[in-house]
Amino acid sequence: EAQVTQNPRYLITVTGKKLTVTCSQNMNHEYMSWYRQDPGLGLRQIYYSMNVEVTDKGDVPEGYKVSRKEKRNFPLILESPSPNQTSLYFCASSSPRGATDTQYFGPGTRLTVL
Amino acid sequence: KQEVTQIPAALSVPEGENLVLNCSFTDSAIYNLQWFRQDPGKGLTSLLLIQSSQREQTSGRLNASLDKSSGRSTLYIAASQPGDSATYLCAHSSGYSTLTFGKGTMLLVSP
Repeated sequence: EAQVTQNPRYLITVTGKKLTVTCSQNMNHEYMSWYRQDPGLGLRQIYYSMNVEVTDKGDVPEGYKVSRKEKRNFPLILESPSPNQTSLYFCASSSPRGATDTQYFGPGTRLTVL
Repeated sequence: KQEVTQIPAALSVPEGENLVLNCSFTDSAIYNLQWFRQDPGKGLTSLLLIQSSQREQTSGRLNASLDKSSGRSTLYIAASQPGDSATYLCAHSSGYSTLTFGKGTMLLVSP
């Protein structure tokens, strides 16, 4: 089954404790992207990747890092989480024309930073 | 900066009604417009994608239109059902890298 998976689905952590949210897709997509969704603000793009080893900032990249060492995986790293990063996070992928093609979203990761 | 606005923010209708959800965008340089559905606690599901060269797309009871000149798109849902209850999001793409989302319309269809 074609899908985007995210882990963990739910995470409660404390300020400053490094964490990684994993994203994996099995559709051989070149393009992958991370979004956060907040009430009243909607979905905002954090980072995106057009292909392996090619990543770039979205609208709200501060406090986040990403890497794209393999085509299928696009982890989101919070090196020193803060309470304002409490949010619902989504990973998405598509191919072959990036954001202009149909997007496939993961189920979301709900992160709470205390 | 690109802005995407969705009206109304929430809509409640009885089962069987036809309804229209609206999406407007400020950037006329558009590649395509996508409509998504989001169920509570779940990710987004793509419903329809309209290329900039197209005027509309249809899938079952859903029809989406695009008017680039006015910066508007509409999602028409025919004969609504309780299972259509969800949040509907539109997203504008002006290039390969980024989608800009509206804040969504929360739809409730009552039996």
